[in-house]
Amino acid sequence: EAQVTQNPRYLITVTGKKLTVTCSQNMNHEYMSWYRQDPGLGLRQIYYSMNVEVTDKGDVPEGYKVSRKEKRNFPLILESPSPNQTSLYFCASSSSLRSEQYFGPGTRLTVT
Amino acid sequence: QQPVQSPQAVILREGEDAVINCSSSKALYSVHWYRQKHGEAPVFLMILLKGGEQKGHEKISASFNEKKQQSSLYLTASQLSYSGTYFCGSLLKTGANNLFFGTGTRLTVIP
Repeated sequence: EAQVTQNPRYLITVTGKKLTVTCSQNMNHEYMSWYRQDPGLGLRQIYYSMNVEVTDKGDVPEGYKVSRKEKRNFPLILESPSPNQTSLYFCASSSSLRSEQYFGPGTRLTVT
Repeated sequence: QQPVQSPQAVILREGEDAVINCSSSKALYSVHWYRQKHGEAPVFLMILLKGGEQKGHEKISASFNEKKQQSSLYLTASQLSYSGTYFCGSLLKTGANNLFFGTGTRLTVIP
């Protein structure tokens, strides 16, 4: 089954404790991206990757890091999480920027 | 660079029609439409790649006016299953590889 998986689905952590949210797709997609969703603000892109080892900033990259060492994986790293990073995070993948994006199930992060 | 959607929310009775608009202040290469049901991930509806293009998906269709930098999503004879939040995403002609999503339109269909 074609899918994008994210782990964990829910995470409660404390300020400053490094965390990683994993994202994996099994569709051999070139393009992957991370979004955060906050009430009233819609989906805002954090980082995206056009291919392996190629990543670039989206709209709201501050406080986040990503890496793309393999085509299927695109982890999101928060080196020192802060409460304003409390949000719902989605990973997405697509064969190209001009095609349908498949979203993962989401990760709800709470930073206290 | 985030496109502007209107209305922000709409309530329909089953069978009624609705239009959701998406406009950008910058020249658009393409417009993408997604629907998100409560507690779920966004799901793809359609992409419009050319000015003047119109597409349909079930009783949901969309148009793209490239000159006006606008797109509209048309929902006809709405069903309860159409409830959710609709997002438009815009890919700009600047060559940037970001997809900018609007803030969403919450659609509620009631019996």
